[in-house]
Amino acid sequence: KQEVTQIPAALSVPEGENLVLNCSFTDSAIYNLQWFRQDPGKGLTSLLLIQSSQREQTSGRLNASLDKSSGRSTLYIAASQPGDSATYLCAVQGAQKLVFGQGTRLTINP
Amino acid sequence: NAGVMQNPRHLVRRRGQEARLRCSPMKGHSHVYWYRQLPEEGLKFMVYLQKENIIDESGMPKERFSAEFPKEGPSILRIQQVVRGDSAAYFCASSPRTGLAKNIQYFGAGTRLSVL
Repeated sequence: KQEVTQIPAALSVPEGENLVLNCSFTDSAIYNLQWFRQDPGKGLTSLLLIQSSQREQTSGRLNASLDKSSGRSTLYIAASQPGDSATYLCAVQGAQKLVFGQGTRLTINP
Repeated sequence: NAGVMQNPRHLVRRRGQEARLRCSPMKGHSHVYWYRQLPEEGLKFMVYLQKENIIDESGMPKERFSAEFPKEGPSILRIQQVVRGDSAAYFCASSPRTGLAKNIQYFGAGTRLSVL
């Protein structure tokens, strides 16, 4: 059974810092891994999707890496801004369903 | 091309009533997934449907919950005799299951169910 763990559960940093969010999964047989952003009371915004054959994806200040063999992914946020404050969810996809982590609640302090 | 549409966005029910949540997939998508997010928890898979077929309902509670995806019209998640513990955000996702994007799921904005 696939299990996804995100560390830390919560993170608070001052504006401008670079930061790393971690995601680990127990079964390396995945099709892809996706990072989402969720604002309080809102839906999911897809940030980056890494196919199983890829090692990383970049979008603006965001960079996500995937090491399938070790069951790990990281989301790197450069030059953080208060608008980055949200919960970040990692999800891995097997044959059909997505399995989500519990999320990292990120607060960027001005 | 409109995204995944869920309605209503917010639904309030009293204990014992029925809740019906609707999901219209993206155009051309024939596969629908339902996920539930309980307060302060991550999203959990509930059910995966194709048109007129339930493919995987391993995440569905055994009682009171049912889902369908008819040949015509939206997918429906139905909760009978709701209890306070059913209060959650229910998200729907769809995928084409063919082509380069076949494994990618696109999410709707969710329906927030509150049971009084």
